[in-house]
Amino acid sequence: QQQVKQSPQSLIVQKGGISIINCAYENTAFDYFPWYQQFPGKGPALLIAIRPDVSEKKEGRFTISFNKSAKQFSLHIMDSQPGDSATYFCAANAGNNRKLIWGLGTSLAVNP
Amino acid sequence: NAGVTQTPKFQVLKTGQSMTLQCAQDMNHNSMYWYRQDPGMGLRLIYYSASEGTTDKGEVPNGYNVSRLNKREFSLRLESAAPSQTSVYFCASSGFWRTLYNEQFFGPGTRLTVL
Repeated sequence: QQQVKQSPQSLIVQKGGISIINCAYENTAFDYFPWYQQFPGKGPALLIAIRPDVSEKKEGRFTISFNKSAKQFSLHIMDSQPGDSATYFCAANAGNNRKLIWGLGTSLAVNP
Repeated sequence: NAGVTQTPKFQVLKTGQSMTLQCAQDMNHNSMYWYRQDPGMGLRLIYYSASEGTTDKGEVPNGYNVSRLNKREFSLRLESAAPSQTSVYFCASSGFWRTLYNEQFFGPGTRLTVL
């Protein structure tokens, strides 16, 4: 049972464009929503995260938008660069649970 | 400060052979995890250890065993490798639970092929 649904599976964007990756969840107990970035041959690394008490969090060119009523959150990459080409995972976590629930990932390619 | 280290980086096994994947972290984290990553399947949790002395099954534990040797080390053992266990294996750790939520730090991975 996929508790966090991520789309699209793959994405191609031109340099300078906006990349948008979406995630949806069902469990209303989730209270932490991170995005991880993974480059080929490397382990994932935390990119940005949000809690449901805010609707948006921005760090540089990366923004998380959060819609609590729709149970959706998305990652926006502004002015996308070839160096952003990677796989992006959304995830969710509830309270004291030690486990993250992961989306299946989005492979992003930014063309120069 | 090495973070999370994994050995070996690559391994080829024959069906039925056994091996242990090693993981160590130097961040004084309480929790450690083993994942496998397969194309189109995302990251699937095999086992995790919430704290030293405890281990719990994740979503795909069959065919694997784990040992939390101490706070720093968490090993994954394949007793009788099968081709279906061909995958990339990642170890991760997390700590400071209430301050940083569940930020997980990943190792570089072990690429395992079972023939």
